[in-house]
Amino acid sequence: NAGVTQTPKFQVLKTGQSMTLQCAQDMNHNSMYWYRQDPGMGLRLIYYSASEGTTDKGEVPNGYNVSRLNKREFSLRLESAAPSQTSVYFCASRVTESTDTQYFGPGTRLTVL
Amino acid sequence: GDSVTQMEGPVTLSEEAFLTINCTYTATGYPSLFWYVQYPGEGLQLLLKATKADDKGSNKGFEATYRKETTSFHLEKGSVQVSDSAVYFCALTSGGSNYKLTFGKGTLLTVNP
Repeated sequence: NAGVTQTPKFQVLKTGQSMTLQCAQDMNHNSMYWYRQDPGMGLRLIYYSASEGTTDKGEVPNGYNVSRLNKREFSLRLESAAPSQTSVYFCASRVTESTDTQYFGPGTRLTVL
Repeated sequence: GDSVTQMEGPVTLSEEAFLTINCTYTATGYPSLFWYVQYPGEGLQLLLKATKADDKGSNKGFEATYRKETTSFHLEKGSVQVSDSAVYFCALTSGGSNYKLTFGKGTLLTVNP
């Protein structure tokens, strides 16, 4: 049981390049989330998916798109990376509608030059 | 909207010292409150939580009590260890159908031998 996994662990992009961050969970959780973590800012919600087939914007969605490919996988795409998107990205999942605890992946450290 | 304010760090203590990290919140309704911990190079782990007023969450010697009258959820530990060195995040969720987490900015704790 691996929990929440994220790939890649590290990535360096040039401004304007695109990439997709992958997240998968093997806990049969319904809800999944993408956060970014910046120094002195805590974690801020980018997008979330309450269930397979649905996605909604969070606090800071601009410049990102998401896909809930199936119940296990929730990807985050940067179409045209900008230096302001340099951050650590965390994926999380939650088991059911009645449980409020989220479980986090190990993170992806992204640098945009 | 919802918000969480926690004490600015960094906090540096000697081993066996008493720890308090203050956290206050603003939320509609009756939020659930959490403390997450992030060890160096890792993702976030749930440390403890409380779901209603006067509940006390506890884990690994850490405690926090949900105080509705002061809208606070301060983290305490009677005797810290070097292995407690980490970043601590206070967070809340207001429930509903999506259980989005709102985080404080985090407090870096360093415990010296």
